Amino acid sequence: RKEVEQDPGPFNVPEGATVAFNCTYSNSASQSFFWYRQDCRKEPKLLMSVYSSGNEDGRFTAQLNRASQYISLLIRDSKLSDSATYLCVARGEYGNKLVFGAGTILRVKS
Amino acid sequence: GAGVSQSPSNKVTEKGKDVELRCDPISGHTALYWYRQSLGQGLEFLIYFQGNSAPDKSGLPSDRFSAERTGGSVSTLTIQRTQQEDSAVYLCASSLVRLDEQFFGPGTRLTVL
Repeated sequence: RKEVEQDPGPFNVPEGATVAFNCTYSNSASQSFFWYRQDCRKEPKLLMSVYSSGNEDGRFTAQLNRASQYISLLIRDSKLSDSATYLCVARGEYGNKLVFGAGTILRVKS
Repeated sequence: GAGVSQSPSNKVTEKGKDVELRCDPISGHTALYWYRQSLGQGLEFLIYFQGNSAPDKSGLPSDRFSAERTGGSVSTLTIQRTQQEDSAVYLCASSLVRLDEQFFGPGTRLTVL
């Protein structure tokens, strides 16, 4: 079983739609979590950190459920520019390395 | 300001040859990481450098892989006797301190024929 698992998608949604991605992690000792965005043939870039209390940044909301070892990302009012691969990331127990999921592909269409 | 840079951007080599990949982190960043990403896969951690501490090499897939970081700045990842399964995008990232946001370079796309 992979340490961080995501639905690969693709999620095809119209502009303006709300879409949610889920991610599960297997290492209960993981300390912190992130969502990175990766555009085609580009490097990953941090989208947002995920806090236990949940956090929101504009149209993006991230949630963490430690009991179920589950992370989510909600995107409201999808834009064409949101089309990308979204990587769920867990920081390991000792903080040295990030464990990446394989990513979820989002395609927003007009 | 300049971000993380990597060179070359693309490298095609023959099986059995050695390759060197270079990473220039953001100036002042003490932590440097190497990852690789195969098609359709997530990023795989390879090695981590933090200041003058001994590197965390726990992600290196075999002894054909090695990396060094000179002067606490530039890093070189070396793959000896390349194999076709080494074909991937090799990404370097740096962060200001150990637990800070990681900034990625554009990667080196390695193709082993």
